[in-house]
Amino acid sequence: AQTVTQSQPEMSVQEAETVTLSCTYDTSENNYYLFWYKQPPSRQMILVIRQEAYKQQNATENRFSVNFQKAAKSFSLKISDSQLGDTAMYFCAFPLLGSNYQLIWGAGTKLIIKP
Amino acid sequence: GAGVSQTPSNKVTEKGKYVELRCDPISGHTALYWYRQSLGQGPEFLIYFQGTGAADDSGLPNDRFFAVRPEGSVSTLKIQRTERGDSAVYLCASSLFPLAGTNTGELFFGEGSRLTVL
Repeated sequence: AQTVTQSQPEMSVQEAETVTLSCTYDTSENNYYLFWYKQPPSRQMILVIRQEAYKQQNATENRFSVNFQKAAKSFSLKISDSQLGDTAMYFCAFPLLGSNYQLIWGAGTKLIIKP
Repeated sequence: GAGVSQTPSNKVTEKGKYVELRCDPISGHTALYWYRQSLGQGPEFLIYFQGTGAADDSGLPNDRFFAVRPEGSVSTLKIQRTERGDSAVYLCASSLFPLAGTNTGELFFGEGSRLTVL
């Protein structure tokens, strides 16, 4: 079975600090995408960053970067210079085996950025 | 509209009642998805439309749940004889193509409809 595990239910850091959210997954696929989504209190899921499993280079989007360890099936999200607007739920997700439309989601990590 | 629009934003109903939740996707997006998100959990897949047809409804929990997309644009999720366990946020998303949606992660979500069944 495919699973996604986010082991940190909640994290809290001071503004401007760096924070890393962890995600581990299990799949028998060899070529796939991994995603981090952000869900602020507005409830709208917003794509933060995505990683292609066949690429060795870690994806980066401004202050957001990933540490992708394919062999360990680990996909952590690093947020640098955290801002108050980063306060949200963060979800890790990847496609169901053989599907090009269905995502499997972790339970999420609640991130609080303190002023 | 510019984004995915979902109505109502919040719906409170009594056990046994019928509810409809509406999703207006981004114009031109052929793929539409419904997910259900219970408190403290990640989204759970319900149904996927490609155009007007439901390409995969395997996530619908039982026959009280039904969804339509008659003209390939707006979709309605229908829940009959609601139960307290149906209480959740129902998220709708759309994408230009299914391959583009999942493989590149370009799913565009609405703000969800929070359903509370008393």
